[in-house]
Amino acid sequence: GAVVSQHPSRVICKSGTSVKIECRSLDFQATTMFWYRQFPKQSLMLMATSNEGSKATYEQGVEKDKFLINHASLTLSTLTVTSAHPEDSSFYICSAPSGELGGETQYFGPGTRLLVL
Amino acid sequence: SQQGEEDPQALSIQEGENATMNCSYKTSINNLQWYRQNSGRGLVHLILIRSNEREKHSGRLRVTLDTSKKSSSLLITASRAADTASYFCATDRASYGKLTFGQGTILTVHP
Repeated sequence: GAVVSQHPSRVICKSGTSVKIECRSLDFQATTMFWYRQFPKQSLMLMATSNEGSKATYEQGVEKDKFLINHASLTLSTLTVTSAHPEDSSFYICSAPSGELGGETQYFGPGTRLLVL
Repeated sequence: SQQGEEDPQALSIQEGENATMNCSYKTSINNLQWYRQNSGRGLVHLILIRSNEREKHSGRLRVTLDTSKKSSSLLITASRAADTASYFCATDRASYGKLTFGQGTILTVHP
């Protein structure tokens, strides 16, 4: 079945640095991908919609200059957390429409755990 | 904003028992989906039910949807220890893929 990968799976960085997270669809093309954030023991919150060839669409309250999204190709979207701070520590998950059921279901990546010291 | 509420927040049962989780939502929807998440991992799609459907089955899973009450339930029959995970409902209002997740139910199945 279709697989979505994320890299890295885990990253620890110092406050003020930028961190890039990659999301790849491995055997299918995805013109749209979604980025979610999940705090410990909480649910997933949609951050933004990544669109191949155009600007990302951000959800209300998500700073676009803080969370830079680039959908460079039909199989790759990147999320860059700029000038990361401890409050940005979270589990970041991407997803891509499955193509089944008209794209209504999503394949999720395994997630990236970010810890900012 | 998070619109889904799930109950119970945590459920602990013995292997072989049935597990029922409930989800409520606030706005109109196109479909409702259930996902499973093992600890610290990504999500796996379990089942999707459309707004014009009332019940759906997949293996040991049974999902119901009551749009008048804006609620859904997920039943896992004959549970196994391997079913231990967090279960989330997610609603899709109109835009394919933009999911709004419930708070989740942590299911623990004891061998």
